[in-house]
Amino acid sequence: GESVGLHLPTLSVQEGDNSIINCAYSNSASDYFIWYKQESGKGPQFIIDIRSNMDKRQGKRVTVLLNKTVKHLSLQIAATQPGDSAVYFCAETPNRDDKIIFGKGTRLHILP
Amino acid sequence: KAGVTQTPRYLIKTRGQQVTLSCSPISGHRSVSWYQQTPGQGLQFLFEYFSETQRNKGNFPGRFSGRQFSNSRSEMNVSTLELGDSALYLCASSLGATTGVVLYEQYFGPGTRLTVT
Repeated sequence: GESVGLHLPTLSVQEGDNSIINCAYSNSASDYFIWYKQESGKGPQFIIDIRSNMDKRQGKRVTVLLNKTVKHLSLQIAATQPGDSAVYFCAETPNRDDKIIFGKGTRLHILP
Repeated sequence: KAGVTQTPRYLIKTRGQQVTLSCSPISGHRSVSWYQQTPGQGLQFLFEYFSETQRNKGNFPGRFSGRQFSNSRSEMNVSTLELGDSALYLCASSLGATTGVVLYEQYFGPGTRLTVT
């Protein structure tokens, strides 16, 4: 069946370093992949998305990489800041109008 | 522009009772999705409403139901509550696919924390 999973439940990164959060997906039919950030006490917040016909997409301080061969998705955060502390979810959807399937989440912990 | 609001923020119910949660989307948004979030299962999709019609549905039992009103506000109902229904219930709104904006550009509310005892 469809599933979206994360390799690491917790990631600790030194402030100022780059963070890389990984995600594996199993549905080869998924066309859109999204990363969300959820801070404590808040709902998830859209960060960046990528379509299956792309390998890389960059935003402000964030980059999403998609490797369809191994069904792997990653989120890179440059120069990690204390405000980046949150749980990060990858998500997938087969098409624009379909339901979104979320991964379990990775907690990013910033070390001072 | 006001964000997505959910009421109540916290709720305690006992097994067997039913509960109704409310979600007010961002003004102009016509799509409302509901999710259940638990530590064990993560974020799971419940259902999505667009123009008062359920457009997508997740894999939850029939005890979970929802509806959307003409003003796009949405409610979800859980009947015969079980201990396992304790969770954070999140609502998300978006403009909707008919406007050309993809469904996943959603804005989430803060959630309703439901505790079943």
